[in-house]
Amino acid sequence: KAGVTQTPRYLIKTRGQQVTLSCSPISGHRSVSWYQQTPGQGLQFLFEYFSETQRNKGNFPGRFSGRQFSNSRSEMNVSTLELGDSALYLCATTFDGTGSSYEQYFGPGTRLTVT
Amino acid sequence: GQQVMQIPQYQHVQEGEDFTTYCNSSTTLSNIQWYKQRPGGHPVFLIQLVKSGEVKKQKRLTFQFGEAKKNSSLHITATQTTDVGTYFCAERILQTSYDKVIFGPGTSLSVIP
Repeated sequence: KAGVTQTPRYLIKTRGQQVTLSCSPISGHRSVSWYQQTPGQGLQFLFEYFSETQRNKGNFPGRFSGRQFSNSRSEMNVSTLELGDSALYLCATTFDGTGSSYEQYFGPGTRLTVT
Repeated sequence: GQQVMQIPQYQHVQEGEDFTTYCNSSTTLSNIQWYKQRPGGHPVFLIQLVKSGEVKKQKRLTFQFGEAKKNSSLHITATQTTDVGTYFCAERILQTSYDKVIFGPGTSLSVIP
């Protein structure tokens, strides 16, 4: 079956702009988690969605938000971009995000550069 | 909050040498997961360990969970250039109805042919 897909793969924005990233999970997967990866901070958890509800949130400012649609596709939005938001944004999906389905499948990521 | 540390941060080995990365926590871990990320790629799940003292093998990779469940190791025997990448350990934090995965900083492995 097809893997996790993320669009776009690369993005260049300027400070103050906003951006929306998309993640389509593996068919049947209903839990989508988002991560930010930077050389300095590593892989940091942003939030997790299941059945169109945000169930879990990391320690990021309110400029970072997300949503999930009825087909389990998820989007994340970053408003008022800052230089420090430059990162690889990864989404990872599991069947339902609980203990019985613990293997996360990552997408290829969206490389965001803020200038 | 929960935190896992990894050592070393970087490791350069000659092809054919062995490699080990260690994951440590000051608190008892519920479980430990290992991921591999190739340069320019995305993390790929390798394994999850849950039981104290558990040892699992995948071909040349050996994963171990400490008796006290505060540390874990990944050992690669006779490294190959295909082993190049960053290896992350992570703890899956079990919540009431969902999980959160906290990643360690990773160990970057370079293999010199």
